[in-house]
Order: sequence, then structure tokens, then C-alpha cells
Amino acid sequence: ELKVEQNPLFLSMQEGKNYTIYCNYSTTSDRLYWYRQDPGKSLESLFVLLSNGAVKQEGRLMASLDTKARLSTLHITAAVHDLSATYFCAVDEPMDSNYQLIWGAGTKLIIKP
Amino acid sequence: GAGVSQSPRYKVAKRGQDVALRCDPISGHVSLFWYQQALGQGPEFLTYFQNEAQLDKSGLPSDRFFAERPEGSVSTLKIQRTQQEDSAVYLCASSLVWGRDTQYFGPGTRLTVL
Repeated sequence: ELKVEQNPLFLSMQEGKNYTIYCNYSTTSDRLYWYRQDPGKSLESLFVLLSNGAVKQEGRLMASLDTKARLSTLHITAAVHDLSATYFCAVDEPMDSNYQLIWGAGTKLIIKP
Repeated sequence: GAGVSQSPRYKVAKRGQDVALRCDPISGHVSLFWYQQALGQGPEFLTYFQNEAQLDKSGLPSDRFFAERPEGSVSTLKIQRTQQEDSAVYLCASSLVWGRDTQYFGPGTRLTVL
């Protein structure tokens, strides 16, 4: 059974600091997704990482994928309050007719001024 | 363009009532997914449609849950004889072609069963 584990589950940090969220998964999937969710809002797609060594950056967020280690990281540089949200990683697992997304429990990020 | 919409946004039901949750996917999106998200957890897969065909319903927790997408566009998730453990946010997502495309999510329907 595919498991996806995120850590930390909760992170409170100061503006201007750097930090990394980790996502470990248990199978050989080669595709990993990062999503953001604000309270009461939709899940918003941030990154799709398609291969080993993939790195994507958008603003202060950078995501990377190491399929050999079965690990993805989401790095936050010089955090700002607007990045406060819950961040989810998800990995797809082949099913009979499709791929299913298996999700981590989420990392709730609070950035204090 | 319009994103995925869901209605109602909030639903309170008495235990034993039937409920119907609606999802309008992005126009032209072939694939549609339903997820259940408990408080403080990631989404859990319920079911998947490709056009009007329900190709995977392995995540539906019981036979009280039923989903349809009769014309390959709007989908309805129906829960019969609701129980307290059904309380959760129900998320709908659509993707352009098939399941490995990026999924675009609606705002969800928060169901509370009293």
C-alpha cells in the first residue's frame, strides 16, 4: 500500500526565514504533486514534478524530487505572511483503469510578521 | 475562465437524511474525481469518471454512497441515510484528459451530519 508522509505537520516560522517541508513516499512512483490549501478554499496546484532530479521554482517556493530516495522537498525562501497555508504533497499510484492520487496529511504553515 | 464549482458549499443534515452534492467541472475536462477530506487530513479518493463512465469507485466507503455523471459533465455525489461519520468536506476535481494530468479542485462542500 502506498503511503505518503509529510513532516513537519505543523510549522510556525518568522517572516524572512527559510525552511523546508519534506514528503516521503513508499513506492516507485515517478510523479509528485504539490498543492496549497487556504482555509475554506480549494486546493491549488503548485508544482508537478515529473522525473528524478526535477526542480521547479515559483517565487519563494522551490520543489525538488529524488525518486531514488522517494523524497520530495518544498523549500521556502525568505518567508512572507502570504505563504501561510496548508501544503499537501500527493503521489499517483496506478489503479485498474487510471492513476489515483495518494495524499500526505498536509503541513500547516503559519508565518508570523 | 470558470473553475470547478460545487454546490451547496455547506450542508447540514440530520442523521438518516439523504443528501446530494453537485460538481460542475471545468468545461471540456474529461476526467472527474470525488474526494473526501476529514478535518486536518489530506483528501481521500472516492471515485473517478472518464466522461460519463465511472471507471473506479473503489474509494466509496459504503453502498450508501453513489455518484453519477450521466452526460459526461456535471456530477452528483449522493449519500443515503447519512451517518455522523460522513461529516467531512467533499471535494470535486477535474482534469483535462486523464488522471495523470493536473487536477483542478472545487471549493468543496462541507457536510455536517447531526
